[in-house]
Amino acid sequence: DTEVTQTPKHLVMGMTNKKSLKCEQHMGHRAMYWYKQKAKKPPELMFVYSYEKLSINESVPSRFSPECPNSSLLNLHLHALQPEDSALYLCASSKAGTGREKLFFGSGTQLSVL
Amino acid sequence: GIQVEQSPPDLILQEGANSTLRCNFSDSVNNLQWFHQNPWGQLINLFYIPSGTKQNGRLSATTVATERYSLLYISSSQTTDSGVYFCAVERHRGSTLGRLYFGRGTQLTVWP
Repeated sequence: DTEVTQTPKHLVMGMTNKKSLKCEQHMGHRAMYWYKQKAKKPPELMFVYSYEKLSINESVPSRFSPECPNSSLLNLHLHALQPEDSALYLCASSKAGTGREKLFFGSGTQLSVL
Repeated sequence: GIQVEQSPPDLILQEGANSTLRCNFSDSVNNLQWFHQNPWGQLINLFYIPSGTKQNGRLSATTVATERYSLLYISSSQTTDSGVYFCAVERHRGSTLGRLYFGRGTQLTVWP
């Protein structure tokens, strides 16, 4: 099984809503990532978890709150988002997050903030 | 960070044609990957290739790390090859381990 599963596939939310994005993998990987991708742009790294600990936070605003309950699951909690946060949010995983590793991506959640 | 430049930015081909995509990077890397993003947004890992040459069916890739570039070859292109091809690299430096920097991609369109 080489899949990274993301839910939901699409999400529309208002600026006062609270929502969560979910990501799951069963490849035994110990590193999980959140990337953000705007239309016609490359993916940009947001967060990295390695062995369930946050190892990289790319100065992401606090309205995005990641959580890694266990090595197979990764959540991204959203609160008080802005319209400019509308984007494709991609989850990825790799063996350990220590570098030199192949990344496997999910199909993403397309988020629209109204 | 590290600069990653991909060329060409856009490529339009007839089905059956061959193509070469290029990725130049500005610093030593210990990780280079090629991805294909299909029209539905799915990013597929094509190659993990920090150096050397690999082949997978109609696709092959070569990375010359000492000269800081990588090439992706697509032979006998098919309409399903359409999408954006990204090159992503990780610097050979401790503080940036785990950070993949993406190029801006090459948009490939293959017509029947």
